[in-house]
Amino acid sequence: GQQVMQIPQYQHVQEGEDFTTYCNSSTTLSNIQWYKQRPGGHPVFLIQLVKSGEVKKQKRLTFQFGEAKKNSSLHITATQTTDVGTYFCAGLSGGSYIPTFGRGTSLIVHP
Amino acid sequence: NAGVMQNPRHLVRRRGQEARLRCSPMKGHSHVYWYRQLPEEGLKFMVYLQKENIIDESGMPKERFSAEFPKEGPSILRIQQVVRGDSAAYFCASSGTDVSTDTQYFGPGTRLTVL
Repeated sequence: GQQVMQIPQYQHVQEGEDFTTYCNSSTTLSNIQWYKQRPGGHPVFLIQLVKSGEVKKQKRLTFQFGEAKKNSSLHITATQTTDVGTYFCAGLSGGSYIPTFGRGTSLIVHP
Repeated sequence: NAGVMQNPRHLVRRRGQEARLRCSPMKGHSHVYWYRQLPEEGLKFMVYLQKENIIDESGMPKERFSAEFPKEGPSILRIQQVVRGDSAAYFCASSGTDVSTDTQYFGPGTRLTVL
């Protein structure tokens, strides 16, 4: 079955440093979604990428979808303590209606 | 602007008791998904339902677990004869009619603790 690998599992950064999490799928995806979950909270939808090579930005967050539609990344510029949380990617393969979630990357920002 | 609602938010049960978790999808959404999350782990798909139909229950244990989404009322995830290993956060998500493109919106979750 489809597998979605996400690395790293944890990332410690000093406030102001950049952060990147990577997502790789074993199969070609029709789209990929990113979620953020704060400690003790629930996953909150951030963005969906659909097109090959797509790049989308939300303020300090940059999301990319690979040309082959098998990998994706989330980059945060100049992290802040409010960025703390676990970031999940979720990939959907063509014909499927159940997204496969990566294990998530937990971001810890030290002030 | 009611999002996905889940109750209870916290549930404590003793081993052998039953747990009932409820989920009301976002207004206009007809698709409900249940996920389980253990501490420090990702989201594990359990079951996908539409009104009065179970579409995919491949992620749900065959025994003790059941789910429904009746014509009226919330979706319910039922765990019979709970064991300590059932302790986890259970999230419900809902989406609109186009499951291939519509995003899933998550509820606040039910944290189940089995004593």
